[in-house]
Formats: sequence, structure tokens, C-alpha cells
Amino acid sequence: NAGVTQTPKFRILKIGQSMTLQCTQDMNHNYMYWYRQDPGMGLKLIYYSVGAGITDKGEVPNGYNVSRSTTEDFPLRLELAAPSQTSVYFCASSGLAGGSYNEQFFGPGTRLTVL
Amino acid sequence: AQSVSQHNHHVILSEAASLELGCNYSYGGTVNLFWYVQYPGQHLQLLLKYFSGDPLVKGIKGFEAEFIKSKFSFNLRKPSVQWSDTAEYFCAVNERRAAGNKLTFGGGTRVLVKP
Repeated sequence: NAGVTQTPKFRILKIGQSMTLQCTQDMNHNYMYWYRQDPGMGLKLIYYSVGAGITDKGEVPNGYNVSRSTTEDFPLRLELAAPSQTSVYFCASSGLAGGSYNEQFFGPGTRLTVL
Repeated sequence: AQSVSQHNHHVILSEAASLELGCNYSYGGTVNLFWYVQYPGQHLQLLLKYFSGDPLVKGIKGFEAEFIKSKFSFNLRKPSVQWSDTAEYFCAVNERRAAGNKLTFGGGTRVLVKP
């Protein structure tokens, strides 16, 4: 199992550009998440999905969009990049174990800089 | 809304010293509790988790944590740290009644272990 994979690892964008951060998991997990990590702030939830075709906003969704057309993939879209979106982005997934929630598994992250 | 507090932002200690990191959360209902670790340049990895049962939980690499329900706390401990424990540590809480198995993270504690 590769677990949770993310591409790209690094990216520099100009203000106003758009891009898609890719996330794929091969653990057949129903739940997937996008977080951003800023220094001293921990991780903040941007969007999450409880299954294919179902997404919902997290704590900091403004400026982002997601889709979940398959169980495996959960891309995050930035439409008009702003300097405030400079951050490290982590994708995560989780499944059920014995009918109960299990821990979230994280990808390696994408470091995004908007100039 | 749920909040998670980690009171120490930075901790510096020498090898073989004992470590204790505090974590308090605000939700009064049933919760699942987690400690994640992020080594320099790496993604988050699970150290330990508490779902139910014995409130003293043992994790990987000699870490343990104690859930004290009356204090809304889940403090992380290690009796004797090593240089390789240098990392950032995140406490996270999941409200069982909440949809989507969402986690709320604390702000993180950076631990530096001097050789």
C-alpha cells in the first residue's frame, strides 16, 4: 500500500493563478480531508468528504473547492491564488475499524507559495 | 465549537530528560483522542490514540498518554527522551457525534532535544 499520496510536493504560484492539488489513497477509505498547516496554528480543516460524491466545508473553506468523483481521489482546487494561501497542505483519509472511526492517515504534504 | 489547547509552544530539553506535553479540549461529550508527531520535513504520524477503556494509553517509541475526563485533558509523556524525539507534536480530538470523523487539532508543541 502506498497509503496517501499527494502531488506536487512544492509549487510556487503567482497571485491570481489557479492550480489543483492532487490526493489519492489506496486504502479504500470512505473519509478524506484537506488541511492547511500554518506555523503555530496547528492544522485547519479546509474540506472533507464522507464518500464519493459527498463533500462538505471545514473550518477554512474560502478560496478553495473540492470534488470527489471516486473513492480514491480527492483533489483540492485553488481558483484565484492569494498570498494568504501560502501554506503547507495535507491530505488525509480514514476508514472504519470494527464499526468505529479509525485514525486519519496523512499524506506527505504540498508546500505552496503564492507570490 | 470544539477547541484544543496545547499550552507549551516550544520545549527544549536534554537527552534522558522526561517529557510531558499538555493537551486540553473543550467538548464535554464523548471523544476520541489522538497524539500525532511530525518529524522535521515529514508528514504527520500517529503516536497513540484513545477511544475507550484504560485511560492510560501506550503508543509507539515509548510514549504514553493519560486521559483524565474530569479535567478534559490528554497529556503526553515520555520518561526519557532521545535526540530523535525532536519533532512537533499535535494533540487532536474527534467528537463522536460529529459527522465525518473530523479532527480538531491543537496548535502543536515543538520539542527540541539537545544531545
